[in-house]
Amino acid sequence: DTAVSQTPKYLVTQMGNDKSIKCEQNLGHDTMYWYKQDSKKFLKIMFSYNNKELIINETVPNRFSPKSPDKAHLNLHINSLELGDSAVYFCASSHLRGGNYGYTFGSGTRLTVV
Amino acid sequence: KQEVTQIPAALSVPEGENLVLNCSFTDSAIYNLQWFRQDPGKGLTSLLLIQSSQREQTSGRLNASLDKSSGRSTLYIAASQPGDSATYLCAVFNAGNMLTFGGGTRLMVKP
Repeated sequence: DTAVSQTPKYLVTQMGNDKSIKCEQNLGHDTMYWYKQDSKKFLKIMFSYNNKELIINETVPNRFSPKSPDKAHLNLHINSLELGDSAVYFCASSHLRGGNYGYTFGSGTRLTVV
Repeated sequence: KQEVTQIPAALSVPEGENLVLNCSFTDSAIYNLQWFRQDPGKGLTSLLLIQSSQREQTSGRLNASLDKSSGRSTLYIAASQPGDSATYLCAVFNAGNMLTFGGGTRLMVKP
């Protein structure tokens, strides 16, 4: 199946830990993204990345860092987790000039920090 | 800064009704607009993508329109079914191909 897949689906961890969420797309898209959906269900961009440029939403703490081993993968690493980081994180991909194709989203990772 | 608003926030209708979901955005200099559906605890499913040069797109019982000059888009759902119950999200494409989302409309279609 052509898709955006992310793992794990659920992640429960303690404050202060470091964790990673993995994302892979097999759609041949050149740009990948991370979005955060908070408790009020509002979705906000965190990062946009292709092999040339990383764009970071200025509101994202530097404890969050994207890591891309290749064009098909964009992992999200989070250091020193805090209670407020609990949310659902969505990976997505598109073509950089995405107008003709739009976005495809993964199914989300529900992160709970205790 | 782009802001996207969706009205109503929640909607409950009996099965079979035709309905309209509204989306407005403050900066008309958008590239494109995409409507998504999100089921509880699930990811986002793309419904319709309207390119900036288009005024509407149709897929089955769904029709989405775009009026950039007035900063508005509507999603029309014909002959609603219980399976249409979900949250509908409107998102506009900004520079850098990043999306700004509205808060969503939670739709409940009652049998």
